[in-house]
Amino acid sequence: GAVVSQHPSWVICKSGTSVKIECRSLDFQATTMFWYRQFPKQSLMLMATSNEGSKATYEQGVEKDKFLINHASLTLSTLTVTSAHPEDSSFYICSAHSGSYNEQFFGPGTRLTVL
Amino acid sequence: RKEVEQDPGPFNVPEGATVAFNCTYSNSASQSFFWYRQDCRKEPKLLMSVYSSGNEDGRFTAQLNRASQYISLLIRDSKLSDSATYLCVVTALDSNYQLIWGAGTKLIIKP
Repeated sequence: GAVVSQHPSWVICKSGTSVKIECRSLDFQATTMFWYRQFPKQSLMLMATSNEGSKATYEQGVEKDKFLINHASLTLSTLTVTSAHPEDSSFYICSAHSGSYNEQFFGPGTRLTVL
Repeated sequence: RKEVEQDPGPFNVPEGATVAFNCTYSNSASQSFFWYRQDCRKEPKLLMSVYSSGNEDGRFTAQLNRASQYISLLIRDSKLSDSATYLCVVTALDSNYQLIWGAGTKLIIKP
């Protein structure tokens, strides 16, 4: 199967700082990437759908000015959590859709802790 | 009502036993169904797709019941390594790419 990397794996930051998370498809091109957030003991919640070269589509309740998504190439999408607050602490997971496999492949996730 | 519902468990099952759990979905027009497995603090991994005719992969069997709008997962001869959270996933109607997730069923296999 295809491989998706995500960096950093975990990050601890102070309240008010911004954190950038990278999602890369390593061996395939992904026109569509997805960003999810998962709180403990809860399901993955889709935050936004990211299409290469266009603006991301955000789910209801997700602030686009707080969670900035850039999908500048077919292998890279970034999520920036701006002015992070403790309630933003969560497990952030990206996935990339592969047309060749007609399947979504997930990154290993980024655990964000905001103090 | 949630779009995809699962019993959160945990299901505590002795090693070697057979265990099954269901997942219900609310939209009768949903097209594609999957079971994912997620280990603690890890990303979800595709376990198997669920086809209308049902499908089997080793010790795992998945079934789809469109009339009652549920899918099931059966695990035979359970192993300690089967301990995980099993997530039921349905594709959104307007996009085959967008996945709608259940909250997961936690399975604990005991020696």
